[in-house]
Amino acid sequence: KAGVTQTPRYLIKTRGQQVTLSCSPISGHRSVSWYQQTPGQGLQFLFEYFSETQRNKGNFPGRFSGRQFSNSRSEMNVSTLELGDSALYLCASSLSRTGRGYGYTFGSGTRLTVV
Amino acid sequence: DAKTTQPTSMDCAEGRAANLPCNHSTISGNEYVYWYRQIHSQGPQYIIHGLKNNETNEMASLIITEDRKSSTLILPHATLRDTAVYYCITITGANSKLTFGKGITLSVRP
Repeated sequence: KAGVTQTPRYLIKTRGQQVTLSCSPISGHRSVSWYQQTPGQGLQFLFEYFSETQRNKGNFPGRFSGRQFSNSRSEMNVSTLELGDSALYLCASSLSRTGRGYGYTFGSGTRLTVV
Repeated sequence: DAKTTQPTSMDCAEGRAANLPCNHSTISGNEYVYWYRQIHSQGPQYIIHGLKNNETNEMASLIITEDRKSSTLILPHATLRDTAVYYCITITGANSKLTFGKGITLSVRP
């Protein structure tokens, strides 16, 4: 079956712009989480959605937001982009809300470069 | 979730077993131990998880000590494609986020 699909794979944006990233989870998976990965900070949790509700949020400014649709697809949005937002953004999906017992399946990520 | 501690790096020869240790001395009774790996610029890949019993799948074996304060991921016959960063993580039911540390960089040499 198809894995977690993230689009686009690569993106270049200018400081001050906004960006929307998309994630399609594995069919049947209702939990979607987002992570940011940078060389300096490593993998950091952004937020998690389950049944269209944000269930958990990491320590990121309000410029980072997300949502989940009724078909479990999710989007994350970053407004007023800063150079430090350049990162690999990863989406993970799971059958259960906690991921425990099933594990999370990650997509290949969206590489965002802010210039 | 319990904090995990892993060595920074290790290497092993191709075809030999790679034993990757992880310390999670503050783990609570309902926390699972998960292992993921990340090959350069790809998303993390689930390897295996366990609660208290040893586990084995087609990729690896997970050995958890009786007191659950540490575990070892075993790749029985390492190949060059196993070169990656390996993350040991604990998850409880109350918190769905994965807290990644720096992981251990495994280098498999020919």
